Amino acid sequence: NAGVTQTPKFRVLKTGQSMTLLCAQDMNHEYMYWYRQDPGMGLRLIHYSVGEGTTAKGEVPDGYNVSRLKKQNFLLGLESAAPSQTSVYFCASSYGGLAGLNEQFFGPGTRLTVL
Amino acid sequence: AQSVAQPEDQVNVAEGNPLTVKCTYSVSGNPYLFWYVQYPNRGLQFLLKYITGDNLVKGSYGFEAEFNKSQTSFHLKKPSALVSDSALYFCAVRDLGGADGLTFGKGTHLIIQP
Repeated sequence: NAGVTQTPKFRVLKTGQSMTLLCAQDMNHEYMYWYRQDPGMGLRLIHYSVGEGTTAKGEVPDGYNVSRLKKQNFLLGLESAAPSQTSVYFCASSYGGLAGLNEQFFGPGTRLTVL
Repeated sequence: AQSVAQPEDQVNVAEGNPLTVKCTYSVSGNPYLFWYVQYPNRGLQFLLKYITGDNLVKGSYGFEAEFNKSQTSFHLKKPSALVSDSALYFCAVRDLGGADGLTFGKGTHLIIQP
């Protein structure tokens, strides 16, 4: 099993450009999450999904959109990138049930720089 | 709203000595607490969690954590540190009244010196 994979691993954007980050998991997990990690701030939840076709906002959703058209994939979009979105982005997934208290499995991350 | 505090940016321990990484939390309801570890240029890996029951939770790689409700703490411990334990450790809390994701602390760098 590949677990949780993220594409791309690195990306440099100019302000105003758009891009989509792809997360895929092969563990048949119901829940999927997008976090961003910034120095000295830990991880912050951007958006999450509790099942195919459903998404919800997390702590820092502004400037991002998500889609979960297939159970195994969770896409994070930046419509108009800003320097404040320079960060490392992590996708995670987990089994459903237990009100989201199951262990989360993380991908390797995408390092995004916005100039 | 829930929050997690990790008061130490860095903890230095000699190999073979016991280690403690501190975490305190604030939630409105029952706390559900987690520890994750991050090695350089990698995603986070789950170590252990407290949901209910015994206050001493055992996890991966010989780590354990003690839940203390009166002190609102969930400190991570290991009896004998290894150099390979050097990494970034995150405490996290889940509040059932909030979003379904976790709220993470800022992380603590654990450095084990040979």
